[in-house]
Amino acid sequence: EAGVAQSPRYKIIEKRQSVAFWCNPISGHATLYWYQQILGQGPKLLIQFQNNGVVDDSQLPKDRFSAERLKGVDSTLKIQPAKLEDSAVYLCASKEGFSQEFQYFGPGTRLLVL
Amino acid sequence: GENVEQHPSTLSVQEGDSAVIKCTYSDSASNYFPWYKQELGKGPQLIIDIRSNVGEKKDQRIAVTLNKTAKHFSLHITETQPEDSAVYFCAASPYGQNFVFGPGTRLSVLP
Repeated sequence: EAGVAQSPRYKIIEKRQSVAFWCNPISGHATLYWYQQILGQGPKLLIQFQNNGVVDDSQLPKDRFSAERLKGVDSTLKIQPAKLEDSAVYLCASKEGFSQEFQYFGPGTRLLVL
Repeated sequence: GENVEQHPSTLSVQEGDSAVIKCTYSDSASNYFPWYKQELGKGPQLIIDIRSNVGEKKDQRIAVTLNKTAKHFSLHITETQPEDSAVYFCAASPYGQNFVFGPGTRLSVLP
């Protein structure tokens, strides 16, 4: 079974530029998450999708971050404009249904904002 | 909301020794507690989890214990091996809500 795929793996941009990350969840997984993991910290949830609908985006900085999950499969997370403090690893995770368990994480995209 | 603390932040053990990582949570409604292992350059991987109706769970060399009264849970790794070196995260989740992760513990197993 293929895992959660993310691209790019690394991205370096200057502040005020825009950047987009892509995630392809495990086939058949209805729930998709985006997390932000700052160096030395645990993952922090940014947004949760159930199919193509948003379930929880309470911690997403909506003035600069946006995410979509068209057709309930792949998802993109965008930052526009980026700030220095956005430097982090952005993790995508997916799970099959509504239960709490078994979130599968992708390898993450490491973003450096200069 | 839920707050999860984790100790120690770094832990070094000799190969073959045991390692223990402890977490505390604040929300008494939390009922699911997973542990994730994150190796360098990779995403977190679930290694073991426990529900609030169980006090202990074991899977080969790893075990997790839960004390609901004290609101803390622990990860125990026995007979540590170099490949156990990684960052370990605990998390807590009230039913139907999302995970809140601890800050992580960097475990180094010395040969």
